[in-house]
Amino acid sequence: QKEVEQNSGPLSVPEGAIASLNCTYSDRGSQSFFWYRQYSGKSPELIMFIYSNGDKEDGRFTAQLNKASQYVSLLIRDSQPSDSATYLCAVNAGGSNYKLTFGKGTLLTVNP
Amino acid sequence: KAGVTQTPRYLIKTRGQQVTLSCSPISGHRSVSWYQQTPGQGLQFLFEYFSETQRNKGNFPGRFSGRQFSNSRSEMNVSTLELGDSALYLCASSLAPSAGEAYEQYFGPGTRLTVT
Repeated sequence: QKEVEQNSGPLSVPEGAIASLNCTYSDRGSQSFFWYRQYSGKSPELIMFIYSNGDKEDGRFTAQLNKASQYVSLLIRDSQPSDSATYLCAVNAGGSNYKLTFGKGTLLTVNP
Repeated sequence: KAGVTQTPRYLIKTRGQQVTLSCSPISGHRSVSWYQQTPGQGLQFLFEYFSETQRNKGNFPGRFSGRQFSNSRSEMNVSTLELGDSALYLCASSLAPSAGEAYEQYFGPGTRLTVT
């Protein structure tokens, strides 16, 4: 069973701090990795994707991928109360596999 | 550019009935995927369609089926509804590159199905 695992949280950080969200995956051949943000009662929103080892930055968000360790993370700098949401890690195996396998998500709370 | 749209947004059905949900992808997107989201299981993949063909299927019973039309719009059908089918059903669309290429999926607002 190919799995994606995340700490369920809740992760609580003060406003202005760095929030660090982590994800591990079991399929060593996985090709692409995604972070979605889901507000309560809403659908998931794609915020970052990464395909190569290393870091990828987009505004306050940085995705980090380490394929050797089967680990992907999301850093949110200068966290804001509006960042409070569930963050979902998703993995695609690549090849002829077109589905995303999701972790259960980490609930992030940013306290003013 | 308009996002993914899903209809209806909310639905209440009785056990044993069937239901059809509809999804219109982002203009130009030819791949449509369906997911079920529940508090206990999280997001689970149902199936993916491209050019009216199902390319991948998740581990759901045969009561769950889908199809895609020539304009890329998709429908999913659940027959003989069970209480456990109560969930948020999400549709996601993608540009769908060739096999082996990475791609991003964008979700619609979902259809909240309640089975009583």
